[in-house]
Amino acid sequence: DAMVIQNPRYQVTQFGKPVTLSCSQTLNHNVMYWYQQKSSQAPKLLFHYYDKDFNNEADTPDNFQSRRPNTSFCFLDIRSPGLGDAAMYLCATGRGRETQYFGPGTRLLVL
Amino acid sequence: AQRVTQPEKLLSVFKGAPVELKCNYSYSGSPELFWYVQYSRQRLQLLLRHISRESIKGFTADLNKGETSFHLKKPFAQEEDSAMYYCAPCSGGAGGTSYGKLTFGQGTILTVHP
Repeated sequence: DAMVIQNPRYQVTQFGKPVTLSCSQTLNHNVMYWYQQKSSQAPKLLFHYYDKDFNNEADTPDNFQSRRPNTSFCFLDIRSPGLGDAAMYLCATGRGRETQYFGPGTRLLVL
Repeated sequence: AQRVTQPEKLLSVFKGAPVELKCNYSYSGSPELFWYVQYSRQRLQLLLRHISRESIKGFTADLNKGETSFHLKKPFAQEEDSAMYYCAPCSGGAGGTSYGKLTFGQGTILTVHP
């Protein structure tokens, strides 16, 4: 029944070692979002895909990239994770102003 | 700049008491307004959307355009309402032809005591 799936649920990486988080959806929504949520803070939008069009938020660091090979899958790549990148990463899907559906999140730990 | 303010970080009430979670926003244009909720160990999910005017789990929210507020209310709180609540205006995406950008408030942790 899960509509937005994120893998892995927990990810441990080393400082500077590239890491990829994945998200998949069964809702066939044309928009997929990636949010970063640090401890005790609100989710913050990093970027989104509208179909194949990538849209970066102005304050998202270059260290963060994304790929969307097809409608169902979207990946978040962190090229050189720093200690400050430790957070919960949330994937969401939606259409226009409709409700966004969130995945359970991937908690990233950087050692 | 778009801004969302939830002035109470923590809110505690007793079971059966009324509860109001405040949200004020500063936005250009006409955002669509949402409340999202995150229960312990669960994913973030929709609680209420202004345009649908539905009452979900007994919650309602009234939009006051003059005060730019969208406060969430429930007349009788239940223990299972204990959660983190986010007010989230959504800009863009009119007509479902593009994307909608949610801006989350800082959230209010509601605790309902027995």
